[in-house]
Amino acid sequence: NAGVTQTPKFRVLKTGQSMTLLCAQDMNHEYMYWYRQDPGMGLRLIHYSVGEGTTAKGEVPDGYNVSRLKKQNFLLGLESAAPSQTSVYFCASSWRGSNQPQHFGDGTRLSIL
Amino acid sequence: QQQVKQSPQSLIVQKGGISIINCAYENTAFDYFPWYQQFPGKGPALLIAIRPDVSEKKEGRFTISFNKSAKQFSLHIMDSQPGDSATYFCAARNAGGTSYGKLTFGQGTILTVHP
Repeated sequence: NAGVTQTPKFRVLKTGQSMTLLCAQDMNHEYMYWYRQDPGMGLRLIHYSVGEGTTAKGEVPDGYNVSRLKKQNFLLGLESAAPSQTSVYFCASSWRGSNQPQHFGDGTRLSIL
Repeated sequence: QQQVKQSPQSLIVQKGGISIINCAYENTAFDYFPWYQQFPGKGPALLIAIRPDVSEKKEGRFTISFNKSAKQFSLHIMDSQPGDSATYFCAARNAGGTSYGKLTFGQGTILTVHP
């Protein structure tokens, strides 16, 4: 039972490069989320999705795009990476409804040089 | 715009002691207050949660105290153990509208329990 799986686990990019982070969940959850975690800032929501084919902006969406073509996958894209996007990225998923906990993956550590 | 403020940033406790982490929020539309525990190299995991119609919730050594009028809530870890050493995040969830289901996290507290 894998839960939420994030790939890759680590990546180093040069400024201006692009990449896609993949999140896959096997719990049939409707909701999926992308966060970034920075020291002293907690977790900040980048984008989220309440169902297949739908996405919405979170607290810090600039510089990122997302897609949810399949219910189990949620992709986070960086079109032109910037050093300010150096962070640890977490994906989470949850059932629809009140009091449903979010289940997190183990993160992707991304460095932009 | 930080809507949930968490303190302290770091906390050192001796084994067997009580660890207390505090959070304060501003948005009265929040309706669910979870605490997450995160170990190094891992994602956060739900530890315990409370709704605002309850003033206290206890699960084993972990207790949430909630003060709705003061818009504050806290996590108490009784008989703290070295295995409790982790980063703890409080969070609050928006009640409805287009923000339904979204969590706002506090800044995190790094807890170290010395043996």
